[in-house]
Amino acid sequence: EPEVTQTPSHQVTQMGQEVILRCVPISNHLYFYWYRQILGQKVEFLVSFYNNEISEKSEIFDDQFSVERPDGSNFTLKIRSTKLEDSAMYFCASRGQGNEQFFGPGTRLTVL
Amino acid sequence: AQSVSQHNHHVILSEAASLELGCNYSYGGTVNLFWYVQYPGQHLQLLLKYFSGDPLVKGIKGFEAEFIKSKFSFNLRKPSVQWSDTAEYFCAVSLNFGNEKLTFGTGTRLTIIP
Repeated sequence: EPEVTQTPSHQVTQMGQEVILRCVPISNHLYFYWYRQILGQKVEFLVSFYNNEISEKSEIFDDQFSVERPDGSNFTLKIRSTKLEDSAMYFCASRGQGNEQFFGPGTRLTVL
Repeated sequence: AQSVSQHNHHVILSEAASLELGCNYSYGGTVNLFWYVQYPGQHLQLLLKYFSGDPLVKGIKGFEAEFIKSKFSFNLRKPSVQWSDTAEYFCAVSLNFGNEKLTFGTGTRLTIIP
């Protein structure tokens, strides 16, 4: 069964450093999402991406964040200058023509 | 904007007990409703979903949920829980148009005692 994959599974970085989180969505899906879950809190929407552009972003997704689909398979989330409060689990999800989003296993980001 | 409330933060049950987890949402229009489960150390998995039609939906692992439109509720049920059901359960809603981002509730931690 096709699945969403994410790399790395765990990323540790210093405050102020740039990180890129990578996702490979399910191959024929058209809609892509990033969510995050701070430890002990709920899953929060960050951004959605369709047709090579952002379709919606939350207030969390400020100028420090960007997304890209550099080729036909990868979907990346970049944080330009990480802050301590960016420490969280980041989930990628993709959706085809139906209404169900399929989630990846997540990347745990730890900012020191 | 839509929101989701899960009133039970932590539920502890013995094996074979019946389970009902509450979920209420706020939005006046048409919504899609989901329950996701997150087992310890694992990613989010879809338990069940409601888009339209029969308001009683059955999912995997013996779970079911009932959509009651008048109450804006989508409660999750299981008649007899097992130790392996220990996990975090998230209710989520998406609007039936646009990019259909998911809005999640705060989650309910379910602990099953053998």
